[in-house]
Parts: sequence; structure tokens; C-alpha cells
Amino acid sequence: GQNIDQPTEMTATEGAIVQINCTYQTSGFNGLFWYQQHAGEAPTFLSYNVLDGLEEKGRFSSFLSRSKGYSYLLLKELQMKDSASYLCAVRDWSSSNTGKLIFGQGTTLQVKP
Amino acid sequence: DSGVTQTPKHLITATGQRVTLRCSPRSGDLSVYWYQQSLDQGLQFLIQYYNGEERAKGNILERFSAQQFPDLHSELNLSSLELGDSALYFCASSPSQGATNEKLFFGSGTQLSVL
Repeated sequence: GQNIDQPTEMTATEGAIVQINCTYQTSGFNGLFWYQQHAGEAPTFLSYNVLDGLEEKGRFSSFLSRSKGYSYLLLKELQMKDSASYLCAVRDWSSSNTGKLIFGQGTTLQVKP
Repeated sequence: DSGVTQTPKHLITATGQRVTLRCSPRSGDLSVYWYQQSLDQGLQFLIQYYNGEERAKGNILERFSAQQFPDLHSELNLSSLELGDSALYFCASSPSQGATNEKLFFGSGTQLSVL
């Protein structure tokens, strides 16, 4: 089976840096994704990691440690529009040989002025 | 705009009824995934179709069924609806079966309210 854990809520200040952690357990790990979801809207892709290390993309970076089953999303220079839910998802390439994404509960980030 | 189209955007119905949600994937995408998102839960994987065939099943209730048609659009059928089925239902698509770095593109969802 799969298990993905993220904090439920976080609060940060505009202009600051915030780190959202994700731990996972899965039998057929084949990549970790981060998505952003504003309330009532569709999730949109932010980043992807399959190898250990840091992937940087503008203000957003994502880190993966496969041996620890751990990832984090780092958001720099926070803006009010970054207030959203951040979803950690693991690609589970299990017995069916198809790479469905299994999502965590999501972390709701509130950015305050 | 992700290129994934879902209809209808909102659906209000009564308990015991049956509804059909429709999804058109991005042009060229062969896989369609259905997810359910309730207020107190994250995105729950329901089912995946690839090129017309069922490829993976999640915690999909027996009252729910889906199919993917030759033109690759998909329908999710929900029957004998219960209050607890009220949720946001998302469809997503990807080019193939879910290769390593293949991301999913999500539609804007159908908000189902069962009264």
C-alpha cells in the first residue's frame, strides 16, 4: 500500500521562505510530484523529482531523498497569491504497470501580509 | 487552461439518483484518470483508463463505474447516490500509461452535490 504524510496547515509571511515537508511509503516508487491547488480549482503541476537532490524552478524548489522517503517543497519570496494547497504525490508503479499518482492530503498554506 | 475538459461544472441531484460526468482529455493524451476530492480528504484515486482499457483501480465504489470511448473521452457513472458522494470529481489525462516523468493535467472538475 501507500502512505503519504504532509502537515495539514502552515502559515507564513509575505516575502519569507516556507518549507513544506512530505514523507511517503510506497512499494513501487517511481517519482514524486508537487502540485498547487487554489480553492475550488484544478491542481496544477509545480515540480517533479525522481533522483535524490534538489530541483530548482524559479521561486520554487523541491528536494527528494529516496532512502528516507522524504521530500520537501521550498517556496521563496512568498507572495499573497501563493496562498493555496500544496499536494505531494507519488507515482506508484505497482503491479498493474501503470503510473497512477497517489496524493497526500495536501498542505494548506496561508500567506499573511 | 490544461486542455482537459470536464462537464458539467456543477451538478445537484438527490439521493438514490444516477449521474454521468464527462471528460475530454488533452489532444493526444491516451490515459484518463478519475479522482474524487471531498472536503475532509485529499485527492482519492478512483480509476485509470488507457486507450480504451481499464488499467488501474483505486478505492472506487461498486456503485461507480467508468469507461473510455474510442474517441478517448471518458465518462464516470455514479449511481444510487448517497449524501457522502458529494465531492469535487476531477479528471486528469497524460500522454501514455504514466511514464516516470509524465505529469497529469487536470480538468477544472465537476462539483457534485447530493441533497
